Amino acid sequence: DTGVSQNPRHKITKRGQNVTFRCDPISEHNRLYWYRQTLGQGPEFLTYFQNEAQLEKSRLLSDRFSAERPKGSFSTLEIQRTEQGDSAMYLCASSSLGRSHNEQFFGPGTRLTVL
Amino acid sequence: KQEVTQIPAALSVPEGENLVLNCSFTDSAIYNLQWFRQDPGKGLTSLLLIQSSQREQTSGRLNASLDKSSGRSTLYIAASQPGDSATYLCAAPSGGSYIPTFGRGTSLIVHP
Repeated sequence: DTGVSQNPRHKITKRGQNVTFRCDPISEHNRLYWYRQTLGQGPEFLTYFQNEAQLEKSRLLSDRFSAERPKGSFSTLEIQRTEQGDSAMYLCASSSLGRSHNEQFFGPGTRLTVL
Repeated sequence: KQEVTQIPAALSVPEGENLVLNCSFTDSAIYNLQWFRQDPGKGLTSLLLIQSSQREQTSGRLNASLDKSSGRSTLYIAASQPGDSATYLCAAPSGGSYIPTFGRGTSLIVHP
Protein backbone atom coordinates (compact mmCIF):
# COMPACT_ATOMS: atom_id res chain seq x y z
CA ASP A 1 0.00 0.00 0.00
CA THR A 2 1.49 3.33 -1.01
CA GLY A 3 -0.90 5.61 0.89
CA VAL A 4 -0.11 7.96 3.76
CA SER A 5 0.60 6.13 7.01
CA GLN A 6 0.63 7.44 10.57
CA ASN A 7 1.88 5.93 13.80
CA PRO A 8 0.75 5.34 16.41
CA ARG A 9 -2.96 5.18 15.66
CA HIS A 10 -3.87 5.87 19.26
CA LYS A 11 -1.95 7.47 22.12
CA ILE A 12 -3.07 7.92 25.69
CA THR A 13 -0.81 9.99 27.89
CA LYS A 14 -0.85 11.84 31.17
CA ARG A 15 -0.83 15.61 31.32
CA GLY A 16 2.68 16.99 31.24
CA GLN A 17 4.20 14.14 29.24
CA ASN A 18 5.78 14.53 25.80
CA VAL A 19 4.43 12.66 22.79
CA THR A 20 5.73 12.19 19.25
CA PHE A 21 3.78 11.17 16.18
CA ARG A 22 5.12 9.98 12.85
CA CYS A 23 3.79 10.44 9.33
CA ASP A 24 5.04 8.67 6.20
CA PRO A 25 3.72 10.43 3.08
CA ILE A 26 3.13 9.00 -0.36
CA SER A 27 6.64 8.50 -1.65
CA GLU A 28 6.57 10.85 -4.62
CA HIS A 29 4.86 13.70 -2.75
CA ASN A 30 7.09 16.62 -1.79
CA ARG A 31 4.47 18.44 0.32
CA LEU A 32 3.41 17.33 3.77
CA TYR A 33 0.80 18.86 6.06
CA TRP A 34 -0.22 18.40 9.69
CA TYR A 35 -3.75 19.13 10.87
CA ARG A 36 -5.63 18.82 14.13
CA GLN A 37 -9.29 17.86 14.27
CA THR A 38 -11.67 17.93 17.21
CA LEU A 39 -15.15 16.46 17.36
CA GLY A 40 -17.63 18.15 15.04
CA GLN A 41 -15.02 20.36 13.41
CA GLY A 42 -13.14 20.24 10.16
CA PRO A 43 -9.37 19.75 10.25
CA GLU A 44 -7.40 22.82 11.32
CA PHE A 45 -4.05 23.50 9.68
CA LEU A 46 -0.98 23.26 11.91
CA THR A 47 2.09 23.27 9.68
CA TYR A 48 3.33 22.52 6.17
CA PHE A 49 6.57 21.26 4.64
CA GLN A 50 7.83 21.39 1.12
CA ASN A 51 10.58 18.79 0.97
CA GLU A 52 12.53 19.31 4.21
CA ALA A 53 11.67 22.99 4.59
CA GLN A 54 8.94 23.99 7.02
CA LEU A 55 7.30 26.80 5.07
CA GLU A 56 4.32 27.75 7.16
CA LYS A 57 3.08 27.37 10.72
CA SER A 58 -0.34 28.22 12.05
CA ARG A 59 -0.82 30.49 15.02
CA LEU A 60 -2.47 27.43 16.57
CA LEU A 61 0.97 25.86 16.79
CA SER A 62 2.16 26.93 20.22
CA ASP A 63 5.79 26.69 21.24
CA ARG A 64 5.04 23.30 22.82
CA PHE A 65 4.57 21.90 19.32
CA SER A 66 7.45 21.18 16.98
CA ALA A 67 7.57 19.39 13.66
CA GLU A 68 10.41 18.10 11.54
CA ARG A 69 10.83 16.49 8.18
CA PRO A 70 14.44 15.37 7.93
CA LYS A 71 15.59 14.56 4.41
CA GLY A 72 12.17 15.47 3.04
CA SER A 73 10.72 12.04 3.70
CA PHE A 74 8.78 11.12 6.85
CA SER A 75 7.76 13.78 9.36
CA THR A 76 7.40 13.86 13.12
CA LEU A 77 5.16 16.06 15.25
CA GLU A 78 6.14 16.42 18.90
CA ILE A 79 4.00 17.91 21.63
CA GLN A 80 5.82 18.79 24.84
CA ARG A 81 4.18 19.11 28.24
CA THR A 82 0.83 17.91 26.95
CA GLU A 83 -2.37 19.53 28.19
CA GLN A 84 -5.90 18.15 28.21
CA GLY A 85 -6.79 20.63 25.46
CA ASP A 86 -4.34 18.85 23.17
CA SER A 87 -6.68 15.85 23.02
CA ALA A 88 -7.68 15.56 19.36
CA MET A 89 -7.14 13.64 16.16
CA TYR A 90 -3.86 14.60 14.50
CA LEU A 91 -3.98 14.15 10.75
CA CYS A 92 -1.21 14.13 8.21
CA ALA A 93 -1.65 14.70 4.47
CA SER A 94 0.66 14.81 1.48
CA SER A 95 0.43 16.23 -2.01
CA SER A 96 2.40 17.25 -5.04
CA LEU A 97 1.87 19.76 -7.79
CA GLY A 98 1.91 18.73 -11.40
CA ARG A 99 -0.70 16.36 -12.74
CA SER A 100 -2.40 15.88 -9.39
CA HIS A 101 -2.83 19.66 -8.94
CA ASN A 102 -1.99 19.53 -5.23
CA GLU A 103 -4.72 17.01 -4.40
CA GLN A 104 -4.29 16.15 -0.74
CA PHE A 105 -4.26 12.56 0.50
CA PHE A 106 -4.73 11.91 4.18
CA GLY A 107 -3.47 9.28 6.56
CA PRO A 108 -5.69 7.49 9.10
CA GLY A 109 -4.77 9.89 11.88
CA THR A 110 -3.40 9.57 15.40
CA ARG A 111 -5.98 9.89 18.17
CA LEU A 112 -4.41 11.58 21.22
CA THR A 113 -6.07 11.44 24.62
CA VAL A 114 -4.48 13.45 27.43
CA LEU A 115 -5.65 12.40 30.89
CA LYS B 1 -8.59 34.69 5.39
CA GLN B 2 -10.65 31.98 3.76
CA GLU B 3 -13.88 30.92 5.46
CA VAL B 4 -15.72 27.80 4.34
CA THR B 5 -19.32 27.07 5.27
CA GLN B 6 -21.23 23.87 4.63
CA ILE B 7 -24.98 23.53 4.60
CA PRO B 8 -26.77 21.54 5.85
CA ALA B 9 -24.83 20.46 8.93
CA ALA B 10 -26.72 17.17 9.00
CA LEU B 11 -28.95 15.25 6.65
CA SER B 12 -30.94 12.05 7.04
CA VAL B 13 -32.56 10.54 3.95
CA PRO B 14 -34.03 7.24 2.77
CA GLU B 15 -32.01 5.09 0.42
CA GLY B 16 -32.33 5.99 -3.25
CA GLU B 17 -32.68 9.75 -2.92
CA ASN B 18 -30.57 12.17 -4.91
CA LEU B 19 -28.73 14.60 -2.64
CA VAL B 20 -27.12 18.02 -2.89
CA LEU B 21 -24.54 19.15 -0.35
CA ASN B 22 -23.54 22.80 -0.38
CA CYS B 23 -20.22 24.51 0.27
CA SER B 24 -19.57 28.25 0.19
CA PHE B 25 -16.25 30.09 0.49
CA THR B 26 -15.41 33.74 0.97
CA ASP B 27 -12.18 34.12 -1.04
CA SER B 28 -12.88 33.22 -4.67
CA ALA B 29 -9.22 33.36 -5.76
CA ILE B 30 -8.78 29.66 -5.12
CA TYR B 31 -6.29 27.28 -6.73
CA ASN B 32 -8.66 24.33 -6.40
CA LEU B 33 -11.46 22.92 -4.25
CA GLN B 34 -11.54 19.43 -2.85
CA TRP B 35 -14.35 17.27 -1.47
CA PHE B 36 -13.62 14.59 1.11
CA ARG B 37 -15.47 11.84 2.91
CA GLN B 38 -14.75 10.98 6.54
CA ASP B 39 -16.04 7.93 8.36
CA PRO B 40 -16.25 8.11 12.19
CA GLY B 41 -12.82 7.97 13.81
CA LYS B 42 -11.05 7.70 10.48
CA GLY B 43 -8.94 9.90 8.23
CA LEU B 44 -10.25 11.78 5.20
CA THR B 45 -10.74 10.14 1.81
CA SER B 46 -10.46 12.37 -1.25
CA LEU B 47 -13.55 12.20 -3.42
CA LEU B 48 -13.14 14.89 -6.05
CA LEU B 49 -10.80 17.76 -6.79
CA ILE B 50 -11.91 20.63 -9.02
CA GLN B 51 -9.24 22.89 -10.44
CA SER B 52 -9.96 26.60 -10.52
CA SER B 53 -10.36 26.50 -14.31
CA GLN B 54 -12.95 23.71 -14.19
CA ARG B 55 -16.69 23.89 -13.61
CA GLU B 56 -17.32 20.31 -12.52
CA GLN B 57 -15.88 16.89 -11.90
CA THR B 58 -17.58 13.51 -11.87
CA SER B 59 -16.72 10.19 -10.27
CA GLY B 60 -19.30 7.43 -10.39
CA ARG B 61 -22.45 8.62 -8.61
CA LEU B 62 -20.72 11.80 -7.44
CA ASN B 63 -20.66 15.11 -9.26
CA ALA B 64 -19.08 18.27 -7.89
CA SER B 65 -19.55 21.70 -9.40
CA LEU B 66 -17.66 24.91 -8.82
CA ASP B 67 -18.80 28.51 -9.30
CA LYS B 68 -15.92 30.74 -8.28
CA SER B 69 -17.73 33.99 -8.99
CA SER B 70 -20.42 33.18 -6.44
CA GLY B 71 -18.08 31.37 -4.06
CA ARG B 72 -20.02 28.11 -4.16
CA SER B 73 -19.52 24.43 -4.78
CA THR B 74 -22.06 21.64 -4.65
CA LEU B 75 -21.63 17.90 -4.29
CA TYR B 76 -24.37 15.89 -5.93
CA ILE B 77 -24.85 12.28 -4.85
CA ALA B 78 -27.10 10.23 -7.09
CA ALA B 79 -29.16 7.28 -5.88
CA SER B 80 -27.85 7.39 -2.31
CA GLN B 81 -27.00 4.14 -0.51
CA PRO B 82 -26.54 3.29 3.19
CA GLY B 83 -22.81 2.95 2.49
CA ASP B 84 -22.74 6.67 1.64
CA SER B 85 -23.37 7.47 5.31
CA ALA B 86 -20.42 9.58 6.47
CA THR B 87 -19.36 13.19 6.97
CA TYR B 88 -18.61 15.10 3.78
CA LEU B 89 -16.11 17.96 3.96
CA CYS B 90 -15.12 20.55 1.42
CA ALA B 91 -11.84 22.43 1.50
CA ALA B 92 -10.58 25.46 -0.38
CA PRO B 93 -7.34 27.45 -0.01
CA SER B 94 -7.08 31.19 0.22
CA GLY B 95 -5.85 33.07 -2.81
CA GLY B 96 -2.18 32.47 -3.39
CA SER B 97 -2.03 29.58 -0.95
CA TYR B 98 -1.97 25.82 -1.36
CA ILE B 99 -3.17 25.26 2.19
CA PRO B 100 -6.88 24.49 2.35
CA THR B 101 -9.40 25.75 4.86
CA PHE B 102 -12.00 23.13 5.73
CA GLY B 103 -15.68 23.47 6.40
CA ARG B 104 -17.23 21.72 9.40
CA GLY B 105 -18.80 19.12 7.16
CA THR B 106 -22.23 17.72 6.42
CA SER B 107 -23.09 14.59 8.39
CA LEU B 108 -25.09 12.29 6.13
CA ILE B 109 -27.16 9.29 7.17
CA VAL B 110 -28.79 7.18 4.48
CA HIS B 111 -31.22 4.70 6.02
CA PRO B 112 -32.43 1.55 4.26
